[in-house]
Amino acid sequence: GIQVEQSPPDLILQEGANSTLRCNFSDSVNNLQWFHQNPWGQLINLFYIPSGTKQNGRLSATTVATERYSLLYISSSQTTDSGVYFCAAKDSGAGSYQLTFGKGTKLSVIP
Amino acid sequence: ETGVTQSPTHLIKTRGQQVTLRCSSQSGHNTVSWYQQALGQGPQFIFQYYREEENGRGNFPPRFSGLQFPNYSSELNVNALELDDSALYLCASSRQGPYEQYFGPGTRLTVT
Repeated sequence: GIQVEQSPPDLILQEGANSTLRCNFSDSVNNLQWFHQNPWGQLINLFYIPSGTKQNGRLSATTVATERYSLLYISSSQTTDSGVYFCAAKDSGAGSYQLTFGKGTKLSVIP
Repeated sequence: ETGVTQSPTHLIKTRGQQVTLRCSSQSGHNTVSWYQQALGQGPQFIFQYYREEENGRGNFPPRFSGLQFPNYSSELNVNALELDDSALYLCASSRQGPYEQYFGPGTRLTVT
């Protein structure tokens, strides 16, 4: 099955700094999602981005499907951005049903 | 909020017992997927239900089973609970196909 790798595993930022989170995947995909998991476990949808670029406020994401990676950009970070960020991908092969998650990037934003 | 609900929020069971978790999907969605998230790990796919039938399964034993009802809600049943089944169980609803999945708040299961 598809492999999803995220980097870095941990990231500590000063409030106001910018960051880039990376997600590499091993096969062609027809679904690529970024999530933020809050301290209570809820997965919050950030982007559905199997290809191209999207922006939502201080967050933006780019997926280069031909090179099998996706990037999540966080600008002007705030303490409320802290938490674990997951990338999840679904390969485009027949009979593939599930999202495969990476191990996540734990982001800590300090004042 | 996503519109996906799960119950109960927390559950404590004893090894060997059976448990049923419930999920109501978002309006307009006909597919429910279940995931298990152990502490410090990413969610792992258990199975998916579409048209009241299982149409995809991850690497989980048969004691993990499920149902989907005509209103697209779903249940996850786990028999003969083991200590390693302690985890956060998440359900996700979507339309069938490579569409965006939306997750519920999860059920935290502790097996003692």
